[in-house]
Amino acid sequence: KAGVTQTPRYLIKTRGQQVTLSCSPISGHRSVSWYQQTPGQGLQFLFEYFSETQRNKGNFPGRFSGRQFSNSRSEMNVSTLELGDSALYLCASSLANRGGYEQYFGPGTRLTVT
Amino acid sequence: AQTVTQSQPEMSVQEAETVTLSCTYDTSESDYYLFWYKQPPSRQMILVIRQEAYKQQNATENRFSVNFQKAAKSFSLKISDSQLGDAAMYFCAYQGNDYKLSFGAGTTVTVRA
Repeated sequence: KAGVTQTPRYLIKTRGQQVTLSCSPISGHRSVSWYQQTPGQGLQFLFEYFSETQRNKGNFPGRFSGRQFSNSRSEMNVSTLELGDSALYLCASSLANRGGYEQYFGPGTRLTVT
Repeated sequence: AQTVTQSQPEMSVQEAETVTLSCTYDTSESDYYLFWYKQPPSRQMILVIRQEAYKQQNATENRFSVNFQKAAKSFSLKISDSQLGDAAMYFCAYQGNDYKLSFGAGTTVTVRA
């Protein structure tokens, strides 16, 4: 069974631009979560989708948004990029709609904002 | 909000020896899950072990075991017979009723040959 895939793997953008990252979960998984990883702040939760509905959102500004499609694929968008948005963005998918199930992580998208 | 604390930024262990990583957490929930994830230099997050809070028995996965002390809100990871491939950053994570994972700052484990 294929793992979680994220595209693109690397991205360089300029301040003020916007970016869209994509995540394809493991087949059959309906929950997709997004995390931001930076050296200074560590791993922080962005949001989680289940069956196209956002169930939870972390403490990020409204510039960060996401959505999930009917096939469970998810995208996150960051508008008006800032230098501080440079990070590794990790996507994770999970089988169940309740806690305790393993979240399988993708390889991440490395975003650099210049 | 739940907080997860890993007080050891770095740990070093001799190959074949044992190392224990510390993790404490703060929560008012009674039902939750705890995890240890491993992130090698490839950055791929890999689940090492999982513990349900309602289970008193400590989880074990091959050379990895935990010491779960619910009253103390402590969840340490023991790596036995350390191998070179165990070198990575290890994250302790908490999952409560809102499904999200709250991570600690991580502990970098170095294995000396």
